[in-house]
Parts: sequence; C-alpha cells; structure tokens
Amino acid sequence: DIQMTQSPSSLSASVGDRVSITCRASQSISSYLNWYQQKPGKAPKFLIYGSSSLQSGVPSRFSGSGSGTDFTLNISSLQPEDFATYYCQQSYETPYTFGQGTKVEIK
Amino acid sequence: QLQLQESGPGLVKPSETLSLTCTVSGGPIISSSYYWDWIRQPPGKGLESIGSINYSGSTYYNPSLKSRVTISVDTSKNQFSLKLNSATAADTAVYYCARRDYVWGSYPPLYYFDHWGQGTLVTVSS
Repeated sequence: DIQMTQSPSSLSASVGDRVSITCRASQSISSYLNWYQQKPGKAPKFLIYGSSSLQSGVPSRFSGSGSGTDFTLNISSLQPEDFATYYCQQSYETPYTFGQGTKVEIK
Repeated sequence: QLQLQESGPGLVKPSETLSLTCTVSGGPIISSSYYWDWIRQPPGKGLESIGSINYSGSTYYNPSLKSRVTISVDTSKNQFSLKLNSATAADTAVYYCARRDYVWGSYPPLYYFDHWGQGTLVTVSS
C-alpha cells in the first residue's frame, strides 16, 4: 500500500494567517492527490482533486500544489470556518489511502 | 442534491456480522460514471477505504479486509450494502458511504470521493 504522511499532525494559527500543510507519498503518485476537510462529528468534505484543482464551491483561499511524492495544501487567509482536520488521499492505485490528518486549531 | 444515508445496527457483538446499508437519494445509483464506496474511521483516527461497487455489481475490496467483506448493490432500491464478517473490537468505527467520481479524460482515472453520508458509529462489543 502507498503510505501517506502528513505534517504537521496539528498546528495552531490565528484568523488571517497563511497556513501550509504537507503530504508526502511513499512512492510517486504523479498528481493523483486529493484533499478533504473534516469538522468534528461530520463527514469529510471534498476540497481539491488532482493536487491543485479546486472542487466547485470551494473558496479560492484554498490552493494545492505538488506532484510525484510531495504535496502542499495552502490556506491563504485562515477563516473561522476553516478550523478543522485536513486529510490528503492518493488515488494513484488501490487501496486508496489517506494521510493521518492535520488538525488546524485556533491559537 | 445527491444525498447518502447510512443505516444499520449501532452495536454488534464480537464474532458476529456487521451489516450496513447506504440509501442514495437525489440521483440514480445506476450510472457507469460512479463507484459507491465504504470508508471507515476508528474513533480519533484516520480514514480507511473498505471497498466499492458499481451499478453492475463489479466490486473491489481492500486486501486487508477482503476475506471478511461483501459489498452488494440493489438498484431497484437505490441502495448498496456492506457486510463485515467476524467482527472484532478493532472494527469499531464510524462507517461512511461515499460516491466516487473521476476526472473526465484522465487516464488512469483520477478518482475522488465527492459525496459522503453523514456516517454511522458501529461499536463491536459484548
């Protein structure tokens, strides 16, 4: 299985901060990388596909980049509704695997 | 607006079978474009793909669970179901059903999970 490793596991930030979350794959996955946001007690919400393409309706402050093994999710100006846990997920090969999550908390 | 809703027992005894159903509303399950997946999340932990099915009944199971999992589809009811045999405490998790779509024109297909159910907690305990 392809292992997905996110860093950091958690971070504290303030409203308006720029936030970056890194996801590393154990082997090259080209751009087959998706990002999800999960709030407590809720299902994950689909944000980004193909490393950098925003799903319809997702605010433009979210952006993604990377290819091969290293990927980044950026939030340009953190908003109160962005405090959540973020997961990366590879769809390069089955079984599709997720990172362990990065919890974004209020400083 | 597509919606998915999981249903089934919230408590399962060890060694018994965990059974869940996902009801899809707001759109047909019969579509060659989509796969219908089960994903689980143990309390406080990350997400694990269990397996999937399409409208014609073609299935995929995560090798780590393959010996215990069966996924089926009932197109007349717009539902798909999960059975996990020989349940243990390690199977305690929130179980999600989800729709898997792909980017048109991508090869191999770039899949993503774009619609999810709200999730249902299943506890395996005597």
